Amino acid sequence: EVQLVESGGGLVQPGGSLRLSCEASGFALSSYYVAWVRQAPGKGLEWLGRIAHAPDNYNTLYAASLRGRFIISRDDSKNSAFLQMHSLQSDDTAVYYCTRENWAAYEYWGQGILVTVSS
Amino acid sequence: DIVLTQTPLFSPVTLGQSASISCKSSQSLVSRDGKTYLTWLHQRPGQSPRLLIYEVFNRFSRVPDRFSGSGSGTDFTLKISRVEAEDVGVYYCMQGMLSPPTFGQGTTVDIK
Repeated sequence: EVQLVESGGGLVQPGGSLRLSCEASGFALSSYYVAWVRQAPGKGLEWLGRIAHAPDNYNTLYAASLRGRFIISRDDSKNSAFLQMHSLQSDDTAVYYCTRENWAAYEYWGQGILVTVSS
Repeated sequence: DIVLTQTPLFSPVTLGQSASISCKSSQSLVSRDGKTYLTWLHQRPGQSPRLLIYEVFNRFSRVPDRFSGSGSGTDFTLKISRVEAEDVGVYYCMQGMLSPPTFGQGTTVDIK
């Protein structure tokens, strides 16, 4: 069964950092792009960025609105991807999802992990 | 960025009846490779989104044939035939033709 499981969320103070993990099972993550999407409370979906697979040199793209604060990486030997977040503010409070991307379709999504930025 | 506009934003439907959701793009979603990268997602209350339709009309794995996608260029439609209780939630269209990928605002489907 294909699964993606996020971890590493929680409460963080404004200005702080957090690293989310996304562990895949049931398939080889190395064959796919991985994207991160978030959803603020009661709001819609917001694309954050994505990392390509090895054949495409692990190329990364990010939403311009993030202003370089977020970094996506992956470790295919661990079947995992990561989202490193810096300079977090209250409007970064959201549920964060990792997704498996295949030809611009987000085929499978994790269960989501809540990040709360508050003092 | 490409803007996707969904209508209606709220769709109350009767069980067993049909529902249609429109998604209009601010520019054509036909890629240079000839494919149209428009997908539909469904998010049930309290759950993560799941893929329903990719490249306009292709149903993803284990998606019932009650769901169908159509359209071309800038105008797309998701139709749900014979609505069931499990179909409630928010439906999003999404484009992957041009970076950054963008989502519609979402359409909430509820049972009357």
